[in-house]
Amino acid sequence: GEEVAQTPKHLVRGEGQKAKLYCAPIKGHSYVFWYQQVLKNEFKFLISFQNENVFDETGMPKERFSAKCLPNSPCSLEIQATKLEDSAVYFCASSQGSGPLQNEQFFGPGTRLTVL
Amino acid sequence: AQSVTQLGSHVSVSEGALVLLRCNYSSSVPPYLFWYVQYPNQGLQLLLKYTSAATLVKGINGFEAEFKKSETSFHLTKPSAHMSDAAEYFCAVGQSSASKIIFGSGTRLSIRP
Repeated sequence: GEEVAQTPKHLVRGEGQKAKLYCAPIKGHSYVFWYQQVLKNEFKFLISFQNENVFDETGMPKERFSAKCLPNSPCSLEIQATKLEDSAVYFCASSQGSGPLQNEQFFGPGTRLTVL
Repeated sequence: AQSVTQLGSHVSVSEGALVLLRCNYSSSVPPYLFWYVQYPNQGLQLLLKYTSAATLVKGINGFEAEFKKSETSFHLTKPSAHMSDAAEYFCAVGQSSASKIIFGSGTRLSIRP
């Protein structure tokens, strides 16, 4: 598609439950990025993929968070045993990559996760 | 390591007045620099980007930014503010074409009638 699609738009989980978020990048884009926005302002990078391979996972919490980008499937971000502090808006972005003219990251509308 | 500092968490200007949003960056390599805008409950939209070509970059909606290496700055300006410009603005820095983006803490722009 021409836009980054994220589902669901809103997700409510009780503390300790699992949460799974999905992202469909723009067709033809090789890179996918996940960011977490807390308190309306602070963006934190989580992980990026080049096609189905992890490219940079320096921002991923070691425990509870995992992500995948499999061929012919939306990318996913999964949080096991959610905690209150996981409440945030999770943004997915995609880019063509490889070169300054192709490095723009296009952002999806985000998934708002609320942990109660 | 890279970082971005946005001076002023909230800027308020009158409609028709000059908009100036400040951004300073730190980078050990030539940076890619971006300004994004976020409207309430929406995702991020790219306003403009600097990728080592022209130092004065023109973006959408009448915005522009100037890369000043000596001052490590990339301030965003617009000559005449419009009510529809009210939003949150984020300055960001990247290291390479495929790297993560480091965001500043954002500046909320309010427009007074």
